[in-house]
Amino acid sequence: QMTQSPSTLSASVGDRVTITCRASQSISTWLAWYQQRPGKAPDLLIYEASTLHSGVPSRFSASGSGSGTQFTLTISSLQPDDFGTYYCQQYHLYPLTFGGGTRVEIK
Amino acid sequence: QVQLQESGPGLVKPSETLSLTCVVSGYSISSGYYWGWIRQPPGQGLEWIGSIYHSGTTYYSPSLKSRVTISVDTAKNHFSLSLSPVTAADTATYFCARRRFPGGFDYWGQGALVTVSS
Repeated sequence: QMTQSPSTLSASVGDRVTITCRASQSISTWLAWYQQRPGKAPDLLIYEASTLHSGVPSRFSASGSGSGTQFTLTISSLQPDDFGTYYCQQYHLYPLTFGGGTRVEIK
Repeated sequence: QVQLQESGPGLVKPSETLSLTCVVSGYSISSGYYWGWIRQPPGQGLEWIGSIYHSGTTYYSPSLKSRVTISVDTAKNHFSLSLSPVTAADTATYFCARRRFPGGFDYWGQGALVTVSS
């Protein structure tokens, strides 16, 4: 089970934003992050907990704790295009599971 | 450029079968990767339904396993989802996607809204 926090956040352009994802058991670094804009399919941002997917802006970064249960996604300087809902997803074990999502609103 | 496109009925009656096909272009399914179905009820989060390898090996969500079948047709370069019987709770946007290995889903279809209603 994947738990994300916060469920919603509101921030201004230029702010540093951090989203947390917690796994109920160790998933090593087998974690991906996605951004989903309204009415669109999710876009892969990060895989293997910290590897930036091709074409993703460098303001996105992510890391995992040594325990393999706590992960963070950081946007270093929030941009208008960064609105939407962010999901984490583990692929360590079947069934593949997604976090509940974090909705990011631009103030 | 890899592209995925879902197709199928947008309205299904309760107790009947939901059938969707995902046509893949720009990449041959037989070359590898896992191919999956993910759904999203209106206003809710993402739920993985299942995945299939080009060889036909399948993995299903335990909560849906008794009602789901995913198949692949490498000659037509598409894979399909069958869910039966359906209820109103199966109303959702259904996405097909390619799963990189290791890694998440890197290419997605645009999504197909399926409504279960009489």
